[in-house]
Amino acid sequence: GAVVSQHPSRVICKSGTSVKIECRSLDFQATTMFWYRQFPKQSLMLMATSNEGSKATYEQGVEKDKFLINHASLTLSTLTVTSAHPEDSSFYICSARDGAIANSPLHFGNGTRLTVT
Amino acid sequence: GDSVTQMEGPVTLSEEAFLTINCTYTATGYPSLFWYVQYPGEGLQLLLKATKADDKGSNKGFEATYRKETTSFHLEKGSVQVSDSAVYFCALSDPGRNRDDKIIFGKGTRLHILP
Repeated sequence: GAVVSQHPSRVICKSGTSVKIECRSLDFQATTMFWYRQFPKQSLMLMATSNEGSKATYEQGVEKDKFLINHASLTLSTLTVTSAHPEDSSFYICSARDGAIANSPLHFGNGTRLTVT
Repeated sequence: GDSVTQMEGPVTLSEEAFLTINCTYTATGYPSLFWYVQYPGEGLQLLLKATKADDKGSNKGFEATYRKETTSFHLEKGSVQVSDSAVYFCALSDPGRNRDDKIIFGKGTRLHILP
């Protein structure tokens, strides 16, 4: 079945540094990928929609200069948390749809747990 | 705005017990409704879905019926197994958009099944 690989699964970084999270569709092409954030005991909140070859669409309240999204190919989207702060510590999840299949369901990565110290 | 409310966990049951996880939603349009499951160490997977009122989604022994009159989509299984232990997310699609885009999730319910 369709697989979305997310890397790294866990990362610890110091305050002020930047962290890059990768989301890859391993056996299908994804023109659109989605980035979610989940706080403990909270819902998955959609942060942005990543479109191959164009700028990402950010949800209201999400700082686009802080959460940089790049979707340079049909199989890779990256989320970079810039100048990370402890409040950015969270669980980040990406998802993607197979653009070649009508009404394809969303396929999710395993998530990345970011801890900013 | 649109939202999903599901029962808080963790829910702990013995094997072969009957399971219900409640989910209600608020939406201005006519959303599609979903249940996703996240097994330990894995990503979210679509468990079942329903796209219109009175539809019943089913998969792996789980069922949920789209109830427009009560704005609910409760997840049920007649006899749970240890392998069903996971986190379950109720979700809806944003009305007016493609069905599987911009999904709004509930907080998730952790289910523990004891042997």
